[in-house]
Amino acid sequence: GDSVTQMEGPVTLSEEAFLTINCTYTATGYPSLFWYVQYPGEGLQLLLKATKADDKGSNKGFEATYRKETTSFHLEKGSVQVSDSAVYFCALSYSGYSTLTFGKGTMLLVSP
Amino acid sequence: DTGVSQDPRHKITKRGQNVTFRCDPISEHNRLYWYRQTLGQGPEFLTYFQNEAQLEKSRLLSDRFSAERPKGSFSTLEIQRTEQGDSAMYLCASSLVGGKGAYEQYFGPGTRLTVT
Repeated sequence: GDSVTQMEGPVTLSEEAFLTINCTYTATGYPSLFWYVQYPGEGLQLLLKATKADDKGSNKGFEATYRKETTSFHLEKGSVQVSDSAVYFCALSYSGYSTLTFGKGTMLLVSP
Repeated sequence: DTGVSQDPRHKITKRGQNVTFRCDPISEHNRLYWYRQTLGQGPEFLTYFQNEAQLEKSRLLSDRFSAERPKGSFSTLEIQRTEQGDSAMYLCASSLVGGKGAYEQYFGPGTRLTVT
C-alpha cells in the first residue's frame, strides 16, 4: 500500500538557518503531494501542495518539488524564524480519492 | 470565514464508557473526514462522508465506532465501550469536491480523548 516516510525529528535550528525536511513516498499510482503544518495547540494547516511530477509548491517562504524519479517531496526554507517552530507532516492523496496518507511528522524547533 | 470546529476539545472518560464527538465543517463543504492521531504519529484515516452518505471506512474503525452525518452538515463520531487504546486526538476535516481544490482538506483543532 501507499506510505510516506519522513526524517525523524526534532530538527533543531538557529534562526535564519536553512531548513530541509526529507520526505519520500511509496505509491501505486500518481498521487498529489502535500505538506501540512501543525502549530502547538492548533489543527493541521495545509502549507503547500504539488499535483504532478516536477511541480513546485510554495508558500510562506517554504518550497517543495515533486520528484517522481526519486519519489521525494523534500521541504525547504532558506531562512527559518522562531515562529516556524511546529510539526510538519508530508502526505499524499489521489485526485478523486479522498483519503490522505500521512508521514509520522517532523518536529522543527527554531531558537533565537 | 468560519473554519472547521470540533467539540469538545478535550474529553476524559473511564474505560467502558461511551463518548460522542461533534464536528462542524466549513459550511459549503460537501465532504467530511475523520482521522485519528496518536502520539508521535501522523493522522490515520477513519472514515469519510459525501453529503450524508458514508462512503468509506478504514479497517481501523472497529464495530465500537460509529459515525453519522444525518443532514449532510455536522457529523458525530461515537465510541462505545471505550478502551485505553482509544486514547488519541480525533481530527475532523472537510473539503469541497468539484471545486478548484477538490482534494484540499481543511482540518479542525481536534478532540483529545483520554481513557483512564
